[in-house]
Amino acid sequence: GENVEQHPSTLSVQEGDSAVIKCTYSDSASNYFPWYKQELGKRPQLIIDIRSNVGEKKDQRIAVTLNKTAKHFSLHITETQPEDSAVYFCAASGASGSARQLTFGSGTQLTVLP
Amino acid sequence: GAGVSQTPSNKVTEKGKYVELRCDPISGHTALYWYRQSLGQGPEFLIYFQGTGAADDSGLPNDRFFAVRPEGSVSTLKIQRTERGDSAVYLCASSLMGSDTQYFGPGTRLTVL
Repeated sequence: GENVEQHPSTLSVQEGDSAVIKCTYSDSASNYFPWYKQELGKRPQLIIDIRSNVGEKKDQRIAVTLNKTAKHFSLHITETQPEDSAVYFCAASGASGSARQLTFGSGTQLTVLP
Repeated sequence: GAGVSQTPSNKVTEKGKYVELRCDPISGHTALYWYRQSLGQGPEFLIYFQGTGAADDSGLPNDRFFAVRPEGSVSTLKIQRTERGDSAVYLCASSLMGSDTQYFGPGTRLTVL
């Protein structure tokens, strides 16, 4: 089955700086890669996603890049703000049938220091 | 519209007891997923429904765990003879048919004493 590795496990940045979180996946059949933000005691919330036919996607201060050959994808947050502090999870899933389940990374605790 | 809801938000039970956790998906979402999240970890897949049937139950850890979705909407996750190791947050997610995007509920925090 799919295996997703996520790094770093913790990340502290100064407000206004950029943050980068990286993930690798093992199953070349995976084709959907979402990122979720989870605040303490809250539900995971989708912040951005990318499909394997696209190399990069951007939404305001958030961007995701995908390298299918290397089987890795990254989340980039620019101009970080204290409210960006949370745990971020990457995930991967396949196209259909039993592969629709999401396999998650172990999470990155992002702290934005004011 | 209303998001995915789960009840109860917290459940404390004793070892050996039976528990039921409920998930109400977003209206019209045919796909429903259950995940389990232990402290400091990412959610782990348990079971996936497409409509009323379980399309994939490969994530259920053992036969003490069972889930149903009799009318293709609300789902119930059932855990028999609970063990302390079952303590976790149980998350439910739903999605539209043909869509990859999964929307999560707030979870049920299960504590087995």
